[in-house]
Amino acid sequence: GAVVSQHPSRVICKSGTSVKIECRSLDFQATTMFWYRQFPKQSLMLMATSNEGSKATYEQGVEKDKFLINHASLTLSTLTVTSAHPEDSSFYICSARDVFGTTNTEAFFGQGTRLTVV
Amino acid sequence: AQSVTQLDSQVPVFEEAPVELRCNYSSSVSVYLFWYVQYPNQGLQLLLKYLSGSTLVKGINGFEAEFNKSQTSFHLRKPSVHISDTAEYFCAVTAGGTSYGKLTFGQGTILTVHP
Repeated sequence: GAVVSQHPSRVICKSGTSVKIECRSLDFQATTMFWYRQFPKQSLMLMATSNEGSKATYEQGVEKDKFLINHASLTLSTLTVTSAHPEDSSFYICSARDVFGTTNTEAFFGQGTRLTVV
Repeated sequence: AQSVTQLDSQVPVFEEAPVELRCNYSSSVSVYLFWYVQYPNQGLQLLLKYLSGSTLVKGINGFEAEFNKSQTSFHLRKPSVHISDTAEYFCAVTAGGTSYGKLTFGQGTILTVHP
């Protein structure tokens, strides 16, 4: 099956610094990837849709200048949390869809990244 | 826009008992439905999905779900649970076309299986 790898799995950073999270599709090409955020004991909320070679589409209420998304290749999307603050501490998960494959009706998820801002 | 409601935030059950996790959705367009399982500090694993055809869908690990269009429901069931089924379960929907893959999740149901 299609595999999505997310790195790092855990990161602790100081308030005011930036953190980059990578999402890679290992065995398929993903023209579109999705970034979600999950606060403790809450559901997953879509933050943005990442499109290869073009600007990301952000959901209402998500600051695009704070959460920078780059999708420079068909297998890699990155989410950079800029000037992180403790309230940005959360579990971030990406997903990708193998549009051209036999599993194109399924979105595959990465393992998630636990971000703690201190 | 779509919305998903999971009616139970927590479901405790004894091992080998049957379980049903309830999910209702709302949408102005046709949607596709999914159930995912999440273990602590991990990503999501797909249990099953409904795209079209038979309304009874069978998934992995002995789970099944039934799509009921008139009641806008997609309840997840398992006839006999194991300790290893303890996890959080999410119901999700997506619309078709260019929005496909953009998931709206329910609030999650924590299933706890007791010995």
